[in-house]
Amino acid sequence: SQQGEEDPQALSIQEGENATMNCSYKTSINNLQWYRQNSGRGLVHLILIRSNEREKHSGRLRVTLDTSKKSSSLLITASRAADTASYFCATDAGANNLFFGTGTRLTVIP
Amino acid sequence: GAGVSQTPSNKVTEKGKYVELRCDPISGHTALYWYRQSLGQGPEFLIYFQGTGAADDSGLPNDRFFAVRPEGSVSTLKIQRTERGDSAVYLCASSLKPKISPLHFGNGTRLTVT
Repeated sequence: SQQGEEDPQALSIQEGENATMNCSYKTSINNLQWYRQNSGRGLVHLILIRSNEREKHSGRLRVTLDTSKKSSSLLITASRAADTASYFCATDAGANNLFFGTGTRLTVIP
Repeated sequence: GAGVSQTPSNKVTEKGKYVELRCDPISGHTALYWYRQSLGQGPEFLIYFQGTGAADDSGLPNDRFFAVRPEGSVSTLKIQRTERGDSAVYLCASSLKPKISPLHFGNGTRLTVT
């Protein structure tokens, strides 16, 4: 079974608005990663946050991690139409492989 | 090469046939992963290689699935006696250092079993 669960499953916003996606996981982790996938393509790594970090920024992306609640959030500020994609969180669950959630499908309307 | 390359990009086969899917990882990446993704779902872990050996094959659904990486670079995922339920996108990813480095994914092979 997959380790992470994202919510919402789908999100539709206007260009310029902020988009927030959440991820919950089940077991202890070493790090949590967020990936993006455009339709028909492979996944692209966005950001990695370690278990001892609480917040991390990269450009318009902000990721938070709450290990006590086993949850993470991805915030995309000032969204653009090009941000339209599916977003997945992935956790290592202490192993060398990554387990992905079911994803949030983001649509940014121009 | 610049990224992970997977061939073919699309494969249509008949039920019961054998298929091979190929992955060329990024040069120097010792870790290689195979995932399977069904429509509307996240990638499902199949197998992980560290070098030439399969370090974790716990995700392979049954003994019809097998993967090799004989020289620690290119990997082949082999599926015997294909079933319609095997239809999915098969993704390959490589990483410089497992656990601390991000995964670099190919664009996948879309397998359709008719």
